[in-house]
Amino acid sequence: RKEVEQDPGPFNVPEGATVAFNCTYSNSASQSFFWYRQDCRKEPKLLMSVYSSGNEDGRFTAQLNRASQYISLLIRDSKLSDSATYLCVVPRGSTLGRLYFGRGTQLTVWP
Amino acid sequence: EPEVTQTPSHQVTQMGQEVILRCVPISNHLYFYWYRQILGQKVEFLVSFYNNEISEKSEIFDDQFSVERPDGSNFTLKIRSTKLEDSAMYFCASTPLPTSGSNEQFFGPGTRLTVL
Repeated sequence: RKEVEQDPGPFNVPEGATVAFNCTYSNSASQSFFWYRQDCRKEPKLLMSVYSSGNEDGRFTAQLNRASQYISLLIRDSKLSDSATYLCVVPRGSTLGRLYFGRGTQLTVWP
Repeated sequence: EPEVTQTPSHQVTQMGQEVILRCVPISNHLYFYWYRQILGQKVEFLVSFYNNEISEKSEIFDDQFSVERPDGSNFTLKIRSTKLEDSAMYFCASTPLPTSGSNEQFFGPGTRLTVL
């Protein structure tokens, strides 16, 4: 089983839509989780961290289900600028360990 | 806002040549990492570095790879004899010692390595 698996996408949604991405992870010992955003040919940038059951930041909500080893990211009221690839990221073990990246889910928001 | 910087932004080399990719981590960070991303694929961990030694390395990081912190600011990745399959975007990342359980890793803009 892969360390991190994500919806492959792509997702193509109109402005204003709500879209949700899913991710599963295999290491039950992981304590923290991240969603990174990556624009084409650019570096990953942290979007949200998730430590407990969930986290909300404006239009973005991340939820964690430890029993199912499942993480989700919900984007409400999509903007054109949300178009990017969203990466589910899980550290291995310690907080300073390597990060395992999912393959990413591509989102395109159209006007 | 402090950021990780990397040079060069694009490196083209012939197969079999040595390349050195350079990174300047954020100044008060203590843990450093190299990742790579082959075009169209996921980001993959190569190596982590702390206190002037390798903390962890992946199966990708074989004897052709080495890392060094030659001075107080630079962190380098050397590929001794490049192969075609080394063509990828190489990202450097850094993180401070965690104070609250977070290990957000801050990524540099990457060096695109093309091996011909």
